[in-house]
Amino acid sequence: QQQVKQSPQSLIVQKGGISIINCAYENTAFDYFPWYQQFPGKGPALLIAIRPDVSEKKEGRFTISFNKSAKQFSLHIMDSQPGDSATYFCAARPTDSWGKLQFGAGTQVVVTP
Amino acid sequence: DAMVIQNPRYQVTQFGKPVTLSCSQTLNHNVMYWYQQKSSQAPKLLFHYYDKDFNNEADTPDNFQSRRPNTSFCFLDIRSPGLGDAAMYLCATSSPLGTSGYTFGSGTRLTVV
Repeated sequence: QQQVKQSPQSLIVQKGGISIINCAYENTAFDYFPWYQQFPGKGPALLIAIRPDVSEKKEGRFTISFNKSAKQFSLHIMDSQPGDSATYFCAARPTDSWGKLQFGAGTQVVVTP
Repeated sequence: DAMVIQNPRYQVTQFGKPVTLSCSQTLNHNVMYWYQQKSSQAPKLLFHYYDKDFNNEADTPDNFQSRRPNTSFCFLDIRSPGLGDAAMYLCATSSPLGTSGYTFGSGTRLTVV
């Protein structure tokens, strides 16, 4: 049973636009929420991560917003570039599971020139 | 640079012929994971090691085995590959307390003919 639900499944955005990907988690307590970026034929790479005591984290053009009460978190890609075209996975780590991440289903982002 | 290296990048094997995929890491992480990823899907955890302590996911087929002879190396053995085992296999590591995200290798793309 998937405990982390990710949407949308795919996203097309124009260059310079904002890409927004949403994730929601269910009742399990999680203590760490990373986002991974995966290009075709490559392994996922850690993009940005947040802990539940923080509501927002920004690194360059990438921002995570975290709403603990709603059990939701989102990734915003500002000024999207064609090089951002990739699949993005959100993930969450259960507090009782020291390392095992629960992944969302992934969002394929295409940034058009 | 510290990293996770998977060999080979591409592997073609015959139906039913045993195959071994390898992973090495220079991060000195205690935890190593093997994931299976099929096209357009999230990575699916097969098993993981905490040091030499092996942990199998409940739904991992018996056809899949793993060995970790030392901290740096981990192997995935597929005893009798079927067509349904064709996938990208990802190795990942994490720090002892899981205080950071996973570091993934680039993956091995397995084709079964």
